[in-house]
Amino acid sequence: DAKTTQPTSMDCAEGRAANLPCNHSTISGNEYVYWYRQIHSQGPQYIIHGLKNNETNEMASLIITEDRKSSTLILPHATLRDTAVYYCIVKGRGSQGNLIFGKGTKLSVKP
Amino acid sequence: DGGITQSPKYLFRKEGQNVTLSCEQNLNHDAMYWYRQDPGQGLRLIYYSQIVNDFQKGDIAEGYSVSREKKESFPLTVTSAQKNPTAFYLCASSMGTSGAISYNEQFFGPGTRLTVL
Repeated sequence: DAKTTQPTSMDCAEGRAANLPCNHSTISGNEYVYWYRQIHSQGPQYIIHGLKNNETNEMASLIITEDRKSSTLILPHATLRDTAVYYCIVKGRGSQGNLIFGKGTKLSVKP
Repeated sequence: DGGITQSPKYLFRKEGQNVTLSCEQNLNHDAMYWYRQDPGQGLRLIYYSQIVNDFQKGDIAEGYSVSREKKESFPLTVTSAQKNPTAFYLCASSMGTSGAISYNEQFFGPGTRLTVL
């Protein structure tokens, strides 16, 4: 599974869009990009995943660059409850086993 | 109400005692996982199971044991051989594999915080 690189921390004003970047320059053609988040002292929560097209659901949007070497998770109107650690993970759908959770990005949404 | 449950939420044990953490899911998922999380760190895999009556060691299996006798249950035992067991333990499940496709969307329980006194 390809490795990912994320900033350690980010701040965002409440009501503004939060854009969380992730680099995955060694991603291979059959690997997906997954995003999870973990609110303090809770289990991680699945947010979204994508292969090469941009994806949107009720929680967020995922923008993947054309070369697939990086992606951005967008929370369009961040609230205080979005304060959490956000994990970007790359894994192939034909690949069994666990997801590798690194240290992620600590997003702090401020009033 | 489908989901994955872990009990208890907080657990205290004396040094040298074995303790078992419960994990139950009613999502009809084939695969289940146990992770450990230490303060300020990411998750590390302890054990996982792709199907009933089968499980594999993860990255930090030493001092832990599991069983998978039923599809919906995957208990974790922290033995006295685990040198530093105080941590936050997370259980997860996923659909597993169908044909050549592994469904990697994992659903997590609320976690059990274990403290060794």
